[in-house]
Amino acid sequence: DAGVTQSPTHLIKTRGQHVTLRCSPISGHKSVSWYQQVLGQGPQFIFQYYEKEERGRGNFPDRFSARQFPNYSSELNVNALLLGDSALYLCASSAGLQNTEAFFGQGTRLTVV
Amino acid sequence: GENVEQHPSTLSVQEGDSAVIKCTYSDSASNYFPWYKQELGKRPQLIIDIRSNVGEKKDQRIAVTLNKTAKHFSLHITETQPEDSAVYFCAASPPGNTGKLIFGQGTTLQVKP
Repeated sequence: DAGVTQSPTHLIKTRGQHVTLRCSPISGHKSVSWYQQVLGQGPQFIFQYYEKEERGRGNFPDRFSARQFPNYSSELNVNALLLGDSALYLCASSAGLQNTEAFFGQGTRLTVV
Repeated sequence: GENVEQHPSTLSVQEGDSAVIKCTYSDSASNYFPWYKQELGKRPQLIIDIRSNVGEKKDQRIAVTLNKTAKHFSLHITETQPEDSAVYFCAASPPGNTGKLIFGQGTTLQVKP
């Protein structure tokens, strides 16, 4: 029984580069959300996609973008990386649009040097 | 803006004692309140949730209470065990056609044997 899977698990990038993170939701789940978790803090909402449409956007700069594919998997893209983008990026999938359990993946640990 | 405050930031109890974690939220129209447990290096996992039409919910040793008037909700863990040691996050879902979750800052619970 596959849960939410994210790739890669760890990544090291240089300032100014761009990065693509990937997420596969639980089978049958149509909602994918992305969160950024800085060490010692709670996850911060970046995006939600439901049925391939953006349904929510957090307070992040335009360097952050995302999309959802027909199979409901999703990508998070970050351009012009800054040191402050170093964090754990979590993907969560849900069966419904809102007020339903969000299942988190194990995250991608991004380090920007 | 939307905000969730969580207290305390750290909590240490003896095995068998009770632990209480409190959260307040800013948007009175928030309608879904999940609690997540995150062990070191692992993904957040839902332990209990409550919706705004319910005042209290229990699941074995875990209970959550919601006071909509005061805009606060609490997690109660009874008969704590060492395996309850983890970081606990509360979250609130603001109104709107989105599954966005606003997380608190987290509480590190240590249960001493």
